[in-house]
Amino acid sequence: DAKTTQPNSMESNEEEPVHLPCNHSTISGTDYIHWYRQLPSQGPEYVIHGLTSNVNNRMASLAIAEDRKSSTLILHRATLRDAAVYYCILTSGTYKYIFGTGTRLKVLA
Amino acid sequence: DAMVIQNPRYQVTQFGKPVTLSCSQTLNHNVMYWYQQKSSQAPKLLFHYYDKDFNNEADTPDNFQSRRPNTSFCFLDIRSPGLGDAAMYLCATSRELRQVGEQFFGPGTRLTVL
Repeated sequence: DAKTTQPNSMESNEEEPVHLPCNHSTISGTDYIHWYRQLPSQGPEYVIHGLTSNVNNRMASLAIAEDRKSSTLILHRATLRDAAVYYCILTSGTYKYIFGTGTRLKVLA
Repeated sequence: DAMVIQNPRYQVTQFGKPVTLSCSQTLNHNVMYWYQQKSSQAPKLLFHYYDKDFNNEADTPDNFQSRRPNTSFCFLDIRSPGLGDAAMYLCATSRELRQVGEQFFGPGTRLTVL
């Protein structure tokens, strides 16, 4: 299974953009990149996913490197409610999610 | 709102005493998953049901069983809980088993084993 690497933790100031990186150097051509986040005491929730092109939705943007060996989740204006653990997950030809350790995002008021 | 519901949110059991956790969904999804999440760790898939078909992950201990009596409900049975089974148990659903398809998670049941 393709593996992802994320920083353990990051901090951001409220109202500022946040760039959460994910490395997936062993990604294959058909692997999708998914991002989920887990707010305190809740189950994970979907944020965004992509394959090759950059993606935008109401929650975030996903920037995928041209070689696809890394990606970045962008929160355009962090709020206190965005404090969570963010997981970058690859699905390698399967439905199965293998969660990595994730990045704990702390948002400072 | 359509959702994934887990009851109870907190469950305490004794070492070796069987316990059942429940999950229900109003999304009418075909697939229901159970994940185990130990403290400060990532969720780990235990098994899933596609409709009535059960699929166990290779490294899921035999102590963990599951039942899905109908589309809406799925249960996780732990036959003889050990101290190492204390964790958050997350139920999730998806419409289909696909590489791309959002999984909807419930809030989890936190299990304490005394």
